[in-house]
Amino acid sequence: SQQGEEDPQALSIQEGENATMNCSYKTSINNLQWYRQNSGRGLVHLILIRSNEREKHSGRLRVTLDTSKKSSSLLITASRAADTASYFCATDARWGTSYGKLTFGQGTILTVHP
Amino acid sequence: DTGVSQDPRHKITKRGQNVTFRCDPISEHNRLYWYRQTLGQGPEFLTYFQNEAQLEKSRLLSDRFSAERPKGSFSTLEIQRTEQGDSAMYLCASSITSDSARGANVLTFGAGSRLTVL
Repeated sequence: SQQGEEDPQALSIQEGENATMNCSYKTSINNLQWYRQNSGRGLVHLILIRSNEREKHSGRLRVTLDTSKKSSSLLITASRAADTASYFCATDARWGTSYGKLTFGQGTILTVHP
Repeated sequence: DTGVSQDPRHKITKRGQNVTFRCDPISEHNRLYWYRQTLGQGPEFLTYFQNEAQLEKSRLLSDRFSAERPKGSFSTLEIQRTEQGDSAMYLCASSITSDSARGANVLTFGAGSRLTVL
């Protein structure tokens, strides 16, 4: 079953604008990760945030994590047409039936118009 | 090392036929995962190996599905008596447990094997 729920399901913006995607999850986690998938391809790891971290940056990416609300957000600043892809959050559970593997959300489809 | 390789990239088969997918992980990675992804959905976990041991199988994995990882290197995923509902992208990923022990189980994915069952 899908652990994460992502919001919005689809996002359409103009080049240069910022894009924000949200993810909610259900269990206690070791870390939360974001992956990107171009159409018909495999997933590529973008960024990881540990459960004891609240915010992390990598280039144009900013990730926040609120473990009390079991939610995370991914912000892509100054978007480019090449950022067009599907973005997935994935949780690495601390224990339980999801332990040992990543559980993915349903994803947000981002379209950046030139 | 060129990353995780999957073969074939595309497979079209008729209902009832058997299919087999192969995955070659990154050589130093001891964990190997299989996921299934249908259109518009995120990847769903199927099974994973640590070295040659299959540590977990999802309830999604019916008896028609079998996975192996002989000698802890490449892995195969076989689907017997395929059904139209098996049509999906089958993704393989690998990771290394030392990263997991540090709380950073980052997966490297292959490009996937797309199955179409007619």
